[in-house]
Amino acid sequence: GAVVSQHPSWVICKSGTSVKIECRSLDFQATTMFWYRQFPKQSLMLMATSNEGSKATYEQGVEKDKFLINHASLTLSTLTVTSAHPEDSSFYICSARSDSVGELFFGEGSRLTVL
Amino acid sequence: DAKTTQPNSMESNEEEPVHLPCNHSTISGTDYIHWYRQLPSQGPEYVIHGLTSNVNNRMASLAIAEDRKSSTLILHRATLRDAAVYYCILRVGTGNTPLVFGKGTRLSVIA
Repeated sequence: GAVVSQHPSWVICKSGTSVKIECRSLDFQATTMFWYRQFPKQSLMLMATSNEGSKATYEQGVEKDKFLINHASLTLSTLTVTSAHPEDSSFYICSARSDSVGELFFGEGSRLTVL
Repeated sequence: DAKTTQPNSMESNEEEPVHLPCNHSTISGTDYIHWYRQLPSQGPEYVIHGLTSNVNNRMASLAIAEDRKSSTLILHRATLRDAAVYYCILRVGTGNTPLVFGKGTRLSVIA
């Protein structure tokens, strides 16, 4: 089946530093990818839509300058949490839409802990 | 997005069938019914989807009401590995739209 890989799986960083999370579609091309955030005991919340070669579209309430998204190729999107603070600690999940079949596939998630 | 309603939690005994209900009374004609599940500390995993007819795959069965205002995900023999949060989501075809997650149903499986 289609595979979406996220890296790193988990990361711990100090407050004020920036953290980059990668989302790769390993065996299909994905013009569109989606980024979600999930706090403990809550559901996934859509943060932004990432389109290859263009600016990401952010959901209401998500700061675009804080969560930088780059989708430079058809198989890679990155989410950078800038100047991270403890309240940014969360489980970040990406989803990639297969260009060929239109279905959505999810990465394993990346757990960010900001001290 | 059309809204779905699911029970917060359900419990099942191991090796027994489980019926997970979902109400979607405002579903439109172009909405597909998708089911995903999320195991602890993992990303969501596709389970099954359908439009009007009942669907079967190796993981589960999906029973869709004739008026499409409700559906039921059926796990034929629950195992401990099926313990997860199950999400029922409506999505228009395979277009360029994301999945919008509700609260889902947390399924516990008792040995």
